[in-house]
Amino acid sequence: EIVLTQSPGTLSLSPGERATLSCRASQSVSGIYFAWYQQKPGQAPRLLVYGASNRATGIPDRFSGSGSGTDFTLTISRLEPEDFAVYHCHQYGRSGTFGQGTKVEIK
Amino acid sequence: EVQLVQSGAEVKKPGESLKISCKVSGYSFTNYWIGWVRQMPGKGLEWMGIIYPRDSDIRYSPSFQGQVTISADKSITTAYLQWNSLRASDTAMYYCAKQAPCSDEICPFDYWGQGTLVTVSS
Repeated sequence: EIVLTQSPGTLSLSPGERATLSCRASQSVSGIYFAWYQQKPGQAPRLLVYGASNRATGIPDRFSGSGSGTDFTLTISRLEPEDFAVYHCHQYGRSGTFGQGTKVEIK
Repeated sequence: EVQLVQSGAEVKKPGESLKISCKVSGYSFTNYWIGWVRQMPGKGLEWMGIIYPRDSDIRYSPSFQGQVTISADKSITTAYLQWNSLRASDTAMYYCAKQAPCSDEICPFDYWGQGTLVTVSS
């Protein structure tokens, strides 16, 4: 089973700042099988990015995904108040696994 | 409008059985794989498995194989997650989710249910 490790566990930033979230896989994952989700308290996750770099429908362009092989990144160019949440990475190339999540909190 | 509506919260004792449901509407149920995801209290997401409702083909995560049963009834566009003997460690929120259209068997999830909280306690 592919293990995904997200870092950092918590990211403390201010609105307007840039957020860079990392996800490392224990084995190489084809980029077309990689996604990111946002989850707010008490809510189900929401798909942000799929295929490593494709934004899902309705997702603002301040969210961007990149990466390949074992290292993937989600970047939020300028944090808006509604972006403070937990972010999960997901590989779906072999079976499916998620990372443990990165919390983006207000500094 | 795509909707996945899950059954309500459950409180069970260890050793009891349970079947939770996910009623789907707004898209062709038989054309997309649908999956289950576990989230234990304060923890991350765990991919449990997926089912293709057209023929009930199922893929389980190795971590959940033999621990749960995934099924679907296409006549009522509903997917299920079932336990024969619950443990305290099954306490979690369980989400059903529809896979997005993609060219492969396993895809990201583009629509999610609201979650079903399962509490197992003596």
